[in-house]
Amino acid sequence: GAGVSQSPSNKVTEKGKDVELRCDPISGHTALYWYRQSLGQGLEFLIYFQGNSAPDKSGLPSDRFSAERTGGSVSTLTIQRTQQEDSAVYLCASSLPGRLGGYTFGSGTRLTVV
Amino acid sequence: DAKTTQPPSMDCAEGRAANLPCNHSTISGNEYVYWYRQIHSQGPQYIIHGLKNNETNEMASLIITEDRKSSTLILPHATLRDTAVYYCIVSAGGGNTGKLIFGQGTTLQVKP
Repeated sequence: GAGVSQSPSNKVTEKGKDVELRCDPISGHTALYWYRQSLGQGLEFLIYFQGNSAPDKSGLPSDRFSAERTGGSVSTLTIQRTQQEDSAVYLCASSLPGRLGGYTFGSGTRLTVV
Repeated sequence: DAKTTQPPSMDCAEGRAANLPCNHSTISGNEYVYWYRQIHSQGPQYIIHGLKNNETNEMASLIITEDRKSSTLILPHATLRDTAVYYCIVSAGGGNTGKLIFGQGTTLQVKP
């Protein structure tokens, strides 16, 4: 597609439930990144994919968070047993090898845990 | 990746040039300077990047000092829609080197 697509755009879930967030990167972008942004805060790096492998998972805040990428394209970020502190906007970005021209971000998924 | 320092906020009059400074005194020879902005409730938007030479595109100009320890993003004719948080990031490029680290950025308020 023309841009990075994320779904859903908004998600409200009950504490303790699992959620899956989806990211469709720009076609041909082999690098994919997940960030999150809590209200009024900066962007926090979560995980980086190159193809289907994740050489940098250092930003995942706990073992409740996991992500996968299949076919070098779509990525899913899964949060198990959600907590209220997981409420944030989850942003996905993709880039060409070497980040020529920089990242392209999606519009994000706003997750609210109640 | 090298750390950057930006003023927390700036104002600019509509129609005037906005000059956003960034210090990156510990930048390494293979590190690029990237600028992104984030308009309220949207994902960050890439603006421009450079290594040594000054760069210009349809959005902005990037001026990098000769010693590469600082840079300035210039929006030549700021509009109200340029009100956003502007992030200066330094990171190695030329390969899949992973994440960009976003700091707190500069909140630019363009006023009528």
